[in-house]
Amino acid sequence: ETGVTQTPRHLVMGMTNKKSLKCEQHLGHNAMYWYKQSAKKPLELMFVYSLEERVENNSVPSRFSPECPNSSHLFLHLHTLQPEDSALYLCASSLGQGVSNEKLFFGSGTQLSVL
Amino acid sequence: DQQVKQNSPSLSVQEGRISILNCDYTNSMFDYFLWYKKYPAEGPTFLISISSIKDKNEDGRFTVFLNKSAKHLSLHIVPSQPGDSAVYFCAAGASGAGSYQLTFGKGTKLSVIP
Repeated sequence: ETGVTQTPRHLVMGMTNKKSLKCEQHLGHNAMYWYKQSAKKPLELMFVYSLEERVENNSVPSRFSPECPNSSHLFLHLHTLQPEDSALYLCASSLGQGVSNEKLFFGSGTQLSVL
Repeated sequence: DQQVKQNSPSLSVQEGRISILNCDYTNSMFDYFLWYKKYPAEGPTFLISISSIKDKNEDGRFTVFLNKSAKHLSLHIVPSQPGDSAVYFCAAGASGAGSYQLTFGKGTKLSVIP
């Protein structure tokens, strides 16, 4: 148990659906992240929030829309996805103080399949 | 262009022997490095890290070595145990960039054979 909880664990959606991924951290951290892991590719950073403010957006398509209502919760809203968006989506948190050797704590991920 | 490379997708080691996982990087701005371990159906968990001011960091059975001139780091696991079977990710960061972005390698799947 890492203190970061993601729901759902698995999600199958059609290209016209709208769904949301949820992440909650119980570690008192100030920064939260969305990562994407596609098969045989490195983890790719999608979004970073620090103190509920977005600080990083790595050129992610607008069909992915993040929301961070408070420092403990993070959402990823999905709409009109493509089959190539099928991947494992990982949420992470960190202290967010911008220090060296900052560690990320990951959730278990949501395995997304887009049909 | 991959800035962090783990060139071995998989590695098999006999229980009790040493496992050596390698990682190369290209960005000279990276000044801290981490290893994460991932079991199936779980998220990655932090294992060990090293700052560029050191060339070695040890934590129990796990030791990370950093060779800055070669832009290479390695993770040694001694002795290897079946429970160490997992995917290991190398990650690198540049503290001057605000520490928000870690760059990950593709991972190496370690299998420890009993």
